[in-house]
Amino acid sequence: GQQVMQIPQYQHVQEGEDFTTYCNSSTTLSNIQWYKQRPGGHPVFLIQLVKSGEVKKQKRLTFQFGEAKKNSSLHITATQTTDVGTYFCAVNTGTASKLTFGTGTRLQVTL
Amino acid sequence: GAVVSQHPSRVICKSGTSVKIECRSLDFQATTMFWYRQFPKQSLMLMATSNEGSKATYEQGVEKDKFLINHASLTLSTLTVTSAHPEDSSFYICSASPRDRADTQYFGPGTRLTVL
Repeated sequence: GQQVMQIPQYQHVQEGEDFTTYCNSSTTLSNIQWYKQRPGGHPVFLIQLVKSGEVKKQKRLTFQFGEAKKNSSLHITATQTTDVGTYFCAVNTGTASKLTFGTGTRLQVTL
Repeated sequence: GAVVSQHPSRVICKSGTSVKIECRSLDFQATTMFWYRQFPKQSLMLMATSNEGSKATYEQGVEKDKFLINHASLTLSTLTVTSAHPEDSSFYICSASPRDRADTQYFGPGTRLTVL
């Protein structure tokens, strides 16, 4: 079945440092979505990427979809303590709306 | 808009009892709802896909007789964990896809189940 791996599994940064998580698929993707889950919370949709090589920005967050549509990255510039949480990529599999979640990257930010 | 609620948010039950979790789309109609399970520090694992008015489709390895899913209306799906055991303790999260945006899922706040 569909496998979606994320690296790193965990990262601890100091506030102000940058952070990047990478998402890799074993197959070519039609699109990729990114979610953030705060500790004790539920996943919150951040963005969807559809086009090969697409780059989208949301304030300090930059999302990129690989040219081959098999990988994606999320980069946070100058992290803040509010960025703490687990970041998941997710891909559509099977039917149009069925999602397979990546393994996730847990981000810890300290002052 | 696009709010999904779950009830209860937290439940503790004795081993052998059944627990029902409700998932509601509050301001949209959802033809499809999904049920996920998440163990601590792990990713979300899809358990089943629930379509209004038809039987749920279960993922491989998920026992349909243990996790009963009912999707009786376009705004409500229920998951019943029957004869719960401690290994069923987990965070159960539902999501719903609007009729006009089948590729989008809105997530509920989750239900934390603890089986003693």
